[in-house]
Amino acid sequence: NAGVTQTPKFRVLKTGQSMTLLCAQDMNHEYMYWYRQDPGMGLRLIHYSVGEGTTAKGEVPDGYNVSRLKKQNFLLGLESAAPSQTSVYFCASSPLWGRVNTGELFFGEGSRLTVL
Amino acid sequence: QQQVKQSPQSLIVQKGGIPIINCAYENTAFDYFPWYQQFPGKGPALLIAIRPDVSEKKEGRFTISFNKSAKQFSLHIMDSQPGDSATYFCAASKDQAGTALIFGKGTTLSVSS
Repeated sequence: NAGVTQTPKFRVLKTGQSMTLLCAQDMNHEYMYWYRQDPGMGLRLIHYSVGEGTTAKGEVPDGYNVSRLKKQNFLLGLESAAPSQTSVYFCASSPLWGRVNTGELFFGEGSRLTVL
Repeated sequence: QQQVKQSPQSLIVQKGGIPIINCAYENTAFDYFPWYQQFPGKGPALLIAIRPDVSEKKEGRFTISFNKSAKQFSLHIMDSQPGDSATYFCAASKDQAGTALIFGKGTTLSVSS
């Protein structure tokens, strides 16, 4: 059981370049999230999705775009990377319990992005 | 405005000690309060969670204490072990509304042997 898989695990970009981080989950979860983790800042929510075809902004959405075309995948895009986007990115998913989000997040192992 | 404030930023205890990590929240609509544990190079994982209808919850050596009137909750680790060395995050959400978790900034715990 793979759980939540993120690709790539490491990437170095130059300022202005674009890239996409892919998150895949095999647990049939409805909710998916992208967080970034920076030293001393904790985990900050970038975007999230409550179901296939839907996305919503989190705390720090600027400079990022997302898409959820398939239930199992959640893509995070950087159109024009900036050094401030150097971070570790975590994808997570959570199941529904009845009609209410159970709240438990299952995280991937992270993608370390460096923007030079 | 930081919705979930966590302290201390770092903590060092000896094996067998009882580290305590504190969190305070602003939004009275929050109704779900989990703690996540993260080891280096790994993603966070749910450790224990509490809802505001109880004041304490224990799971093994981990206990959450919850004070609704003070809008505070804390994590206690009994008989701490070197294997408990990790970063701990508190979080909160309006779970009944299905909203995303808001995390504290984390506490790095080191348990020395």
